[in-house]
Amino acid sequence: GQSLEQPSEVTAVEGAIVQINCTYQTSGFYGLSWYQQHDGGAPTFLSYNALDGLEETGRFSSFLSRSDSYGYLLLQELQMKDSASYFCAVNGDYKLSFGAGTTVTVRA
Amino acid sequence: KAGVTQTPRYLIKTRGQQVTLSCSPISGHRSVSWYQQTPGQGLQFLFEYFSETQRNKGNFPGRFSGRQFSNSRSEMNVSTLELGDSALYLCASSLEDSQTYEQYFGPGTRLTVT
Repeated sequence: GQSLEQPSEVTAVEGAIVQINCTYQTSGFYGLSWYQQHDGGAPTFLSYNALDGLEETGRFSSFLSRSDSYGYLLLQELQMKDSASYFCAVNGDYKLSFGAGTTVTVRA
Repeated sequence: KAGVTQTPRYLIKTRGQQVTLSCSPISGHRSVSWYQQTPGQGLQFLFEYFSETQRNKGNFPGRFSGRQFSNSRSEMNVSTLELGDSALYLCASSLEDSQTYEQYFGPGTRLTVT
């Protein structure tokens, strides 16, 4: 089966940098994805890492170390609109297995 | 291009009834997955379909079933509803292989069982 661990909550001020760590144990691993979900909304795709290293998409970056079963999402230049839940998810076995999610609260 | 659509958006049912939820994927997407989201259990995988074939099923009782049609549209059915089935049911589609492609989620169907 799969298990993923990520922090439950993170609070930061506008303009700050936040790193959300994710460790996983899984059978059948193709890659690690990150999704954002605002209250009342659907999850939206942020990034996907299949290989070790850093992927950068605008203010968001994601990192993967397959040997350590570890990844992180880096949110830079935080904005109020970044207040949301962030989920790491393992791609494999024709499904996404999600972590419990990290609630990010951005304060003015 | 239109996104993933789900109908209905909200549903209230009574224990013991059954319900059918519908999902239309993004045009050209052949993989459709279903997830249940609850405050207590988070996002849980239900099943995945590709070209009308179920490739994986999550750890849910047999009361939960689904199917995919030749046009890639999908339905899921829950029979003999229980209070614990109250949840947001999310459908997601991906271009080809749900393992390596990003999944696009629909707005969900909010099911309340009373």
